Amino acid sequence: QKEVEQNSGPLSVPEGAIASLNCTYSDRGSQSFFWYRQYSGKSPELIMSIYSNGDKEDGRFTAQLNKASQYVSLLIRDSQPSDSATYLCASGSGAGSYQLTFGKGTKLSVIP
Amino acid sequence: GAVVSQHPSRVICKSGTSVKIECRSLDFQATTMFWYRQFPKQSLMLMATSNEGSKATYEQGVEKDKFLINHASLTLSTLTVTSAHPEDSSFYICSARGFMLGDTEAFFGQGTRLTVV
Repeated sequence: QKEVEQNSGPLSVPEGAIASLNCTYSDRGSQSFFWYRQYSGKSPELIMSIYSNGDKEDGRFTAQLNKASQYVSLLIRDSQPSDSATYLCASGSGAGSYQLTFGKGTKLSVIP
Repeated sequence: GAVVSQHPSRVICKSGTSVKIECRSLDFQATTMFWYRQFPKQSLMLMATSNEGSKATYEQGVEKDKFLINHASLTLSTLTVTSAHPEDSSFYICSARGFMLGDTEAFFGQGTRLTVV
């Protein structure tokens, strides 16, 4: 059974601070990892993808992957109230069909 | 990013009726589409994977005779919830990936909020 675990939160950070979101996954065969942002009542929006160990930066977002520890994280710098949402971690596996396994999400609240 | 259009965004139906949800890839050919269901405060649960021109692959516990999936073209997949019951009320989301998008990314439709009364 493939599982992706996330702390459900809520995680509250003040505006301008760094928000740190964490995720672990069980399937060692997972080859790629994604962070999605989901606002209430909306479908997920892709924020970051990462495929190899290390850091990947895109604007205020940095994804970190450690395959040995089966650990993925997302850092959001200079957090804004508009970043308040639920962040879903997903792992991808399976050649061809490429299925994603999602965590339950971490709810982030950025306090003005 | 690529555009995946899902319709309708909201639907209310009576118990026992059927509802069809459409998922279209607007600017690429979707070789594979995925259908998810999300209950309140829960994560997305994969229901089935459909490949164009072939039968859908359903996840364990998902009734294929109740949730009919048709992926007849490279730009359209439909999910029909047959004989809907209140417990089928949920947020249904499709996602699609295709050759033009590269190897990994899948883009989501806007989701359909189904309420069965």
